[in-house]
Amino acid sequence: KAGVTQTPRYLIKTRGQQVTLSCSPISGHRSVSWYQQTPGQGLQFLFEYFSETQRNKGNFPGRFSGRQFSNSRSEMNVSTLELGDSALYLCASSPGTGGDTQYFGPGTRLTVL
Amino acid sequence: AQTVTQSQPEMSVQEAETVTLSCTYDTSESNYYLFWYKQPPSRQMILVIRQEAYKQQNATENRFSVNFQKAAKSFSLKISDSQLGDTAMYFCAFMKGLGSGYALNFGKGTSLLVTP
Repeated sequence: KAGVTQTPRYLIKTRGQQVTLSCSPISGHRSVSWYQQTPGQGLQFLFEYFSETQRNKGNFPGRFSGRQFSNSRSEMNVSTLELGDSALYLCASSPGTGGDTQYFGPGTRLTVL
Repeated sequence: AQTVTQSQPEMSVQEAETVTLSCTYDTSESNYYLFWYKQPPSRQMILVIRQEAYKQQNATENRFSVNFQKAAKSFSLKISDSQLGDTAMYFCAFMKGLGSGYALNFGKGTSLLVTP
């Protein structure tokens, strides 16, 4: 099976802009989770989608949003970008039942100037 | 909230030697899952090993094994016969077993360097 794919791999934006990141899960997986990785805060959970519904949400401002499509692909949107949003954004997919292993994509490196 | 602590920010080991990475966690849950992931310089997060809390037997995957001490809330990773390709950042992670939605709660990581 093909792994989790994320596009784009690299992105450079300026403050105030918005950005959309995409994640395609492993075929058959219905859950997609998003994580932000920064040197200062480490890995932090953003949100999880399962069957097109947000099932869990981390402690991030409302500028961070997401959605999931009927084919399980997910997008994450960040509006009004701030310098502190510069990070590696990781997407992970799993079948969606309790305790499933999450398989990660290669990440999208976002730089905000 | 569950916290995961990795007390060793950096470690170094020689090729073919054995190294143990420490992880402790804090939770009031009785049903949960624990993971070790590695993140090499490519930044791709790769599953190393997984442990279900209800299983007393320690998980093993080839050269990788864990020492799971539920009462002590400890979950260490042992890498035997270390190889240069094991050089990576290693993250310990906790996942609750109940409720809707399953988020991984990560430790800060241990940077492991394997030297020739």
